[in-house]
Amino acid sequence: EAGVAQSPRYKIIEKRQSVAFWCNPISGHATLYWYQQILGQGPKLLIQFQNNGVVDDSQLPKDRFSAERLKGVDSTLKIQPAKLEDSAVYLCASSPTGSNQPQHFGDGTRLSIL
Amino acid sequence: KQEVTQIPAALSVPEGENLVLNCSFTDSAIYNLQWFRQDPGKGLTSLLLIQSSQREQTSGRLNASLDKSSGRSTLYIAASQPGDSATYLCAPGNKLVFGAGTILRVKS
Repeated sequence: EAGVAQSPRYKIIEKRQSVAFWCNPISGHATLYWYQQILGQGPKLLIQFQNNGVVDDSQLPKDRFSAERLKGVDSTLKIQPAKLEDSAVYLCASSPTGSNQPQHFGDGTRLSIL
Repeated sequence: KQEVTQIPAALSVPEGENLVLNCSFTDSAIYNLQWFRQDPGKGLTSLLLIQSSQREQTSGRLNASLDKSSGRSTLYIAASQPGDSATYLCAPGNKLVFGAGTILRVKS
């Protein structure tokens, strides 16, 4: 089975610019997650979707971050405007519906803010 | 708020050694706990998922145990190999809250 696909793999922008990341989950996985992983730390959940609805966005900085999952499949995460502290790897994960299903991760997008 | 601590932060062992990675968490009201490995520049790979009703789970040379009441989990790696070198992360609960991980290096 094809894994979680993310693009781009790397992105370098200047502060105050905008950037968008794309994720294609594993086919049939209803739940999709976006995580932020700062160097030396574990991933932090930003937002969780169940199909095309938001389940949890309590840790998403909504003044600058937005995410959508149109049609319950692909998802995009956007940052506008970017700050220096947004430099991190942004990971997308997906899982089937159910409370005991493992999450499958993509390789992430490494974002550097200059 | 769930807080996760992993000990040790880093570990370097010779090939062939058996080793134990520790994970502790503050909120024991969890459905499950997962152990992941992360290779440099890569995403996370799920190794083991232990449901709250289970006490341990095994896959090959890996064995994970879960003690919900004390808020602890351990990952046991038998006969370590250089290919096991990676960062190991634990995450209790469906709403995954990760520890900072244990960086493992197995020397040949």
